[in-house]
Amino acid sequence: GESVGLHLPTLSVQEGDNSIINCAYSNSASDYFIWYKQESGKGPQFIIDIRSNMDKRQGQRVTVLLNKTVKHLSLQIAATQPGDSAVYFCAETRENYGQNFVFGPGTRLSVLP
Amino acid sequence: DGGITQSPKYLFRKEGQNVTLSCEQNLNHDAMYWYRQDPGQGLRLIYYSQIVNDFQKGDIAEGYSVSREKKESFPLTVTSAQKNPTAFYLCASSLITGRYNEKLFFGSGTQLSVL
Repeated sequence: GESVGLHLPTLSVQEGDNSIINCAYSNSASDYFIWYKQESGKGPQFIIDIRSNMDKRQGQRVTVLLNKTVKHLSLQIAATQPGDSAVYFCAETRENYGQNFVFGPGTRLSVLP
Repeated sequence: DGGITQSPKYLFRKEGQNVTLSCEQNLNHDAMYWYRQDPGQGLRLIYYSQIVNDFQKGDIAEGYSVSREKKESFPLTVTSAQKNPTAFYLCASSLITGRYNEKLFFGSGTQLSVL
Protein backbone atom coordinates (compact mmCIF):
# COMPACT_ATOMS: atom_id res chain seq x y z
CA GLY A 1 0.00 0.00 0.00
CA GLU A 2 0.92 3.66 -0.07
CA SER A 3 3.54 4.25 2.55
CA VAL A 4 5.63 7.09 1.21
CA GLY A 5 5.11 10.75 0.55
CA LEU A 6 1.47 11.45 1.33
CA HIS A 7 2.24 15.13 1.91
CA LEU A 8 5.30 15.69 -0.23
CA PRO A 9 5.91 18.51 -2.69
CA THR A 10 5.03 17.40 -6.20
CA LEU A 11 6.68 18.18 -9.49
CA SER A 12 4.59 17.52 -12.58
CA VAL A 13 6.30 17.39 -15.98
CA GLN A 14 5.29 16.44 -19.49
CA GLU A 15 6.68 13.24 -20.89
CA GLY A 16 9.82 14.06 -22.84
CA ASP A 17 10.59 17.25 -20.93
CA ASN A 18 13.54 17.63 -18.57
CA SER A 19 12.95 17.47 -14.81
CA ILE A 20 14.86 19.27 -12.10
CA ILE A 21 14.47 18.16 -8.50
CA ASN A 22 16.08 20.21 -5.76
CA CYS A 23 17.41 19.48 -2.30
CA ALA A 24 18.72 21.90 0.29
CA TYR A 25 21.08 20.31 2.76
CA SER A 26 21.77 21.55 6.23
CA ASN A 27 25.34 20.71 7.18
CA SER A 28 28.20 22.57 5.51
CA ALA A 29 30.52 19.73 6.59
CA SER A 30 28.63 17.16 4.50
CA ASP A 31 30.88 15.77 1.79
CA TYR A 32 28.99 12.88 0.22
CA PHE A 33 25.54 13.06 -1.35
CA ILE A 34 23.24 10.50 -2.92
CA TRP A 35 20.01 10.67 -4.87
CA TYR A 36 17.52 7.83 -4.48
CA LYS A 37 14.34 6.97 -6.37
CA GLN A 38 11.50 5.26 -4.53
CA GLU A 39 8.40 3.82 -6.14
CA SER A 40 5.30 3.25 -4.06
CA GLY A 41 5.62 0.29 -1.70
CA LYS A 42 9.23 -0.41 -2.72
CA GLY A 43 12.66 0.24 -1.31
CA PRO A 44 14.79 3.19 -2.44
CA GLN A 45 16.90 2.64 -5.53
CA PHE A 46 20.30 4.29 -5.97
CA ILE A 47 20.43 6.77 -8.85
CA ILE A 48 23.65 8.72 -8.60
CA ASP A 49 26.09 10.04 -6.02
CA ILE A 50 28.58 12.88 -5.78
CA ARG A 51 31.41 13.79 -3.43
CA SER A 52 32.21 17.33 -2.39
CA ASN A 53 35.35 17.55 -4.51
CA MET A 54 33.08 17.67 -7.57
CA ASP A 55 30.29 20.05 -8.59
CA LYS A 56 28.74 17.98 -11.35
CA ARG A 57 28.40 14.32 -12.19
CA GLN A 58 26.55 12.67 -15.05
CA GLY A 59 24.95 9.30 -15.41
CA GLN A 60 22.58 7.81 -17.92
CA ARG A 61 19.92 10.52 -18.46
CA VAL A 62 20.66 11.98 -15.01
CA THR A 63 22.94 14.75 -13.81
CA VAL A 64 23.62 15.80 -10.23
CA LEU A 65 24.78 19.33 -9.49
CA LEU A 66 26.30 20.36 -6.18
CA ASN A 67 26.56 23.98 -5.04
CA LYS A 68 28.45 23.99 -1.76
CA THR A 69 28.25 27.76 -1.42
CA VAL A 70 24.48 27.68 -0.92
CA LYS A 71 24.27 24.06 0.26
CA HIS A 72 22.13 22.98 -2.65
CA LEU A 73 21.90 19.76 -4.57
CA SER A 74 19.86 19.13 -7.70
CA LEU A 75 18.97 16.15 -9.83
CA GLN A 76 18.28 16.68 -13.50
CA ILE A 77 16.48 13.99 -15.48
CA ALA A 78 16.62 14.33 -19.25
CA ALA A 79 13.70 13.33 -21.48
CA THR A 80 11.50 12.31 -18.57
CA GLN A 81 9.60 9.06 -19.08
CA PRO A 82 6.49 7.59 -17.38
CA GLY A 83 8.75 5.11 -15.59
CA ASP A 84 10.45 8.04 -13.86
CA SER A 85 7.32 8.73 -11.80
CA ALA A 86 8.34 8.17 -8.19
CA VAL A 87 9.50 9.94 -5.03
CA TYR A 88 13.06 11.23 -5.23
CA PHE A 89 15.06 12.08 -2.14
CA CYS A 90 18.57 13.14 -1.33
CA ALA A 91 20.85 11.86 1.40
CA GLU A 92 23.92 13.54 2.88
CA THR A 93 26.72 12.46 5.16
CA ARG A 94 30.23 13.48 6.07
CA GLU A 95 33.59 11.86 6.64
CA ASN A 96 34.10 10.29 10.05
CA TYR A 97 30.37 10.28 10.72
CA GLY A 98 30.13 6.52 10.78
CA GLN A 99 28.08 6.09 7.61
CA ASN A 100 25.19 8.00 9.22
CA PHE A 101 23.14 9.60 6.49
CA VAL A 102 20.58 12.38 6.82
CA PHE A 103 17.68 11.94 4.42
CA GLY A 104 15.42 14.58 2.96
CA PRO A 105 11.65 13.95 2.89
CA GLY A 106 11.58 13.77 -0.88
CA THR A 107 9.78 15.19 -3.91
CA ARG A 108 7.13 13.33 -5.85
CA LEU A 109 7.70 13.41 -9.61
CA SER A 110 4.59 12.94 -11.71
CA VAL A 111 5.05 12.45 -15.45
CA LEU A 112 2.10 13.56 -17.54
CA PRO A 113 1.35 11.83 -20.87
CA ASP B 1 21.44 -12.50 -8.03
CA GLY B 2 22.91 -10.34 -5.26
CA GLY B 3 20.83 -8.12 -3.07
CA ILE B 4 18.99 -7.52 0.17
CA THR B 5 15.92 -9.55 1.01
CA GLN B 6 13.36 -8.36 3.53
CA SER B 7 10.47 -10.43 4.76
CA PRO B 8 7.59 -10.40 5.19
CA LYS B 9 6.36 -7.66 2.88
CA TYR B 10 3.35 -7.00 5.13
CA LEU B 11 3.13 -7.66 8.87
CA PHE B 12 0.39 -7.08 11.39
CA ARG B 13 0.98 -6.70 15.08
CA LYS B 14 -1.47 -7.17 17.89
CA GLU B 15 -1.25 -5.00 21.00
CA GLY B 16 1.38 -6.30 23.42
CA GLN B 17 3.00 -8.51 20.81
CA ASN B 18 6.63 -8.54 19.70
CA VAL B 19 7.26 -9.03 15.99
CA THR B 20 10.48 -9.68 14.10
CA LEU B 21 11.36 -8.37 10.65
CA SER B 22 13.91 -10.32 8.66
CA CYS B 23 16.77 -8.87 6.60
CA GLU B 24 19.31 -10.95 4.70
CA GLN B 25 22.02 -9.75 2.30
CA ASN B 26 24.40 -11.63 0.01
CA LEU B 27 26.44 -8.61 -1.05
CA ASN B 28 29.20 -9.39 1.44
CA HIS B 29 28.69 -5.98 3.01
CA ASP B 30 30.04 -5.36 6.47
CA ALA B 31 27.50 -2.76 7.55
CA MET B 32 23.75 -3.19 7.89
CA TYR B 33 21.07 -0.70 8.92
CA TRP B 34 17.41 -0.43 9.85
CA TYR B 35 15.42 2.66 8.95
CA ARG B 36 11.87 3.67 9.65
CA GLN B 37 9.89 5.61 7.03
CA ASP B 38 6.74 7.58 7.86
CA PRO B 39 4.68 9.48 5.28
CA GLY B 40 6.12 12.90 4.46
CA GLN B 41 9.28 12.36 6.48
CA GLY B 42 12.85 11.41 5.72
CA LEU B 43 14.19 8.02 6.70
CA ARG B 44 15.15 7.76 10.37
CA LEU B 45 17.85 5.41 11.63
CA ILE B 46 16.82 2.81 14.20
CA TYR B 47 19.94 0.66 14.58
CA TYR B 48 23.07 -0.10 12.62
CA SER B 49 25.84 -2.66 12.75
CA GLN B 50 29.30 -2.48 11.23
CA ILE B 51 30.56 -5.85 12.39
CA VAL B 52 29.18 -9.18 13.58
CA ASN B 53 28.11 -9.26 17.23
CA ASP B 54 28.17 -5.48 17.49
CA PHE B 55 25.52 -2.85 16.83
CA GLN B 56 24.77 0.75 17.69
CA LYS B 57 21.59 2.67 18.45
CA GLY B 58 20.38 5.17 15.92
CA ASP B 59 18.15 8.17 16.45
CA ILE B 60 14.95 6.27 17.32
CA ALA B 61 16.06 2.97 18.93
CA GLU B 62 13.54 2.96 21.79
CA GLY B 63 11.11 0.07 21.50
CA TYR B 64 13.28 -1.84 19.04
CA SER B 65 15.99 -4.48 19.34
CA VAL B 66 18.39 -6.12 16.90
CA SER B 67 20.98 -8.87 16.69
CA ARG B 68 23.90 -9.50 14.34
CA GLU B 69 24.96 -13.10 14.79
CA LYS B 70 25.91 -13.53 11.13
CA LYS B 71 27.33 -11.11 8.60
CA GLU B 72 24.44 -11.80 6.24
CA SER B 73 21.58 -11.29 8.68
CA PHE B 74 20.30 -8.35 10.74
CA PRO B 75 16.80 -9.02 12.14
CA LEU B 76 14.80 -6.25 13.79
CA THR B 77 12.34 -6.91 16.62
CA VAL B 78 9.60 -4.38 17.22
CA THR B 79 8.71 -4.81 20.87
CA SER B 80 5.49 -4.03 22.71
CA ALA B 81 7.29 -0.98 24.15
CA GLN B 82 7.08 0.69 20.73
CA LYS B 83 3.72 2.42 21.01
CA ASN B 84 3.49 3.71 17.46
CA PRO B 85 4.97 0.95 15.30
CA THR B 86 2.93 1.49 12.14
CA ALA B 87 5.46 2.44 9.47
CA PHE B 88 7.42 1.19 6.48
CA TYR B 89 10.66 -0.44 7.62
CA LEU B 90 13.70 -0.50 5.40
CA CYS B 91 16.86 -2.53 5.78
CA ALA B 92 20.04 -1.39 4.07
CA SER B 93 23.65 -2.46 3.75
CA SER B 94 26.90 -0.92 2.64
CA LEU B 95 30.59 -1.53 2.28
CA ILE B 96 32.96 -0.01 4.79
CA THR B 97 36.12 1.20 3.10
CA GLY B 98 37.52 3.05 6.07
CA ARG B 99 38.11 6.51 4.76
CA TYR B 100 35.15 7.30 2.56
CA ASN B 101 31.46 6.82 3.07
CA GLU B 102 29.80 4.40 0.70
CA LYS B 103 26.31 4.25 -0.73
CA LEU B 104 23.52 2.34 0.93
CA PHE B 105 21.70 -0.46 -0.83
CA PHE B 106 18.12 -0.98 0.33
CA GLY B 107 15.77 -3.91 0.57
CA SER B 108 12.18 -3.79 -0.63
CA GLY B 109 10.75 -2.95 2.77
CA THR B 110 8.23 -4.30 5.26
CA GLN B 111 4.96 -2.49 5.98
CA LEU B 112 4.05 -3.00 9.63
CA SER B 113 0.54 -2.21 10.80
CA VAL B 114 -1.20 -2.52 14.14
CA LEU B 115 -4.41 -4.54 14.42
